[in-house]
Amino acid sequence: DAKTTQPNSMESNEEEPVHLPCNHSTISGTDYIHWYRQLPSQGPEYVIHGLTSNVNNRMASLAIAEDRKSSTLILHRATLRDAAVYYCILRVLNNNAGNMLTFGGGTRLMVKP
Amino acid sequence: GAGVSQSPRYKVAKRGQDVALRCDPISGHVSLFWYQQALGQGPEFLTYFQNEAQLDKSGLPSDRFFAERPEGSVSTLKIQRTQQEDSAVYLCASSIGQGGPGNTIYFGEGSWLTVV
Repeated sequence: DAKTTQPNSMESNEEEPVHLPCNHSTISGTDYIHWYRQLPSQGPEYVIHGLTSNVNNRMASLAIAEDRKSSTLILHRATLRDAAVYYCILRVLNNNAGNMLTFGGGTRLMVKP
Repeated sequence: GAGVSQSPRYKVAKRGQDVALRCDPISGHVSLFWYQQALGQGPEFLTYFQNEAQLDKSGLPSDRFFAERPEGSVSTLKIQRTQQEDSAVYLCASSIGQGGPGNTIYFGEGSWLTVV
């Protein structure tokens, strides 16, 4: 399976932008890049996903490198509620397993007031 | 409710006891997943259902683990003769279609199992 590499942890100040990096050098052409986050004592929550082009939604932006070997999740203004573990996941085409998500260790984001 | 619902939220079991964890996916969702999450780790895939068919159970750690979804909606994960290493959060997730890689997967809050 294609793997992702993320920093173990990052810190941010409240109301500042946060850029969470992810490397996925072995990505294949059909792999989607998904980001999920997990708040304390909660299940993972969908944030955003993309294939080739940059994506924006109400939660975040996803910037995908032209060669697709890396991507960056951008939170435009971090709040205390954004403190969570952020997972960058390559969703591999596998219809027999519902294209399930394979989680790595993620990045623990700490937001300081 | 609108989301994936799991019960019980918390379960303490004595070693050797059998447990059953229930998942109510979002109504109409075809795909259902079970994950296991140990403390401080990311979730790990256990098994996948498409409607009532269990298409992948490659992640189930032993034959003590059994999952079913007999009518293609509610699912139950059963763990027989629980052991301490089974202590974890068990997450259920669902998605609307057959799991295209662009589809969103929605997770429940999990069932926290502690085996003593």
